[in-house]
Amino acid sequence: DAGVIQSPRHEVTEMGQEVTLRCKPISGHNSLFWYRQTMMRGLELLIYFNNNVPIDDSGMPEDRFSAKMPNASFSTLKIQPSEPRDSAVYFCASRVAGTSYEQYFGPGTRLTVT
Amino acid sequence: KNQVEQSPQSLIILEGKNCTLQCNYTVSPFSNLRWYKQDTGRGPVSLTIMTFSENTKSNGRYTATLDADTKQSSLHITASQLSDSASYICVVSAQTSYDKVIFGPGTSLSVIP
Repeated sequence: DAGVIQSPRHEVTEMGQEVTLRCKPISGHNSLFWYRQTMMRGLELLIYFNNNVPIDDSGMPEDRFSAKMPNASFSTLKIQPSEPRDSAVYFCASRVAGTSYEQYFGPGTRLTVT
Repeated sequence: KNQVEQSPQSLIILEGKNCTLQCNYTVSPFSNLRWYKQDTGRGPVSLTIMTFSENTKSNGRYTATLDADTKQSSLHITASQLSDSASYICVVSAQTSYDKVIFGPGTSLSVIP
């Protein structure tokens, strides 16, 4: 199993540009989570999906952030327009809903907004 | 307010020594507590998961304990190795939402030769 796949691994962009982060969950997992990690705030849950449906997006910081899960094998997190304070590592995680509590994390995307 | 606190913030130990990391939480009603290991530049990896009824769980040289009455957990690492150098994160979820987890700030462990 390849695990959770995220792309790109690193992204450097200028303030005001649109950024799209991508995630492919582990095959067979039906819950998907987006997290953000910074030195100041640690790990924070942004949004999570069950069976492709957004369940809780209360962690999404602003309307500039949006997430979609068009099918069971793909999700995107979009920031438009990006700002320097969005610089962080963004993680995607997945699990099988209703069985184990364990979430499997991807390698993360390090975003730098200049 | 649901919170998770960890101590110490950072720790340096000699290879081969044991150490214990602490986690205190105020999450209620409690569902489960997990310890994750995060290597630099990588995503967190689960070490142990404990529910209310469990008070100890081991994973190799890692042993986690849970006291649901005092809302405390510890992670004990035995015979540390250089590869144990990482951040260890305590994560707690409430019964109201198993997936809306609360992360502790982590303990940064450095194992030196």
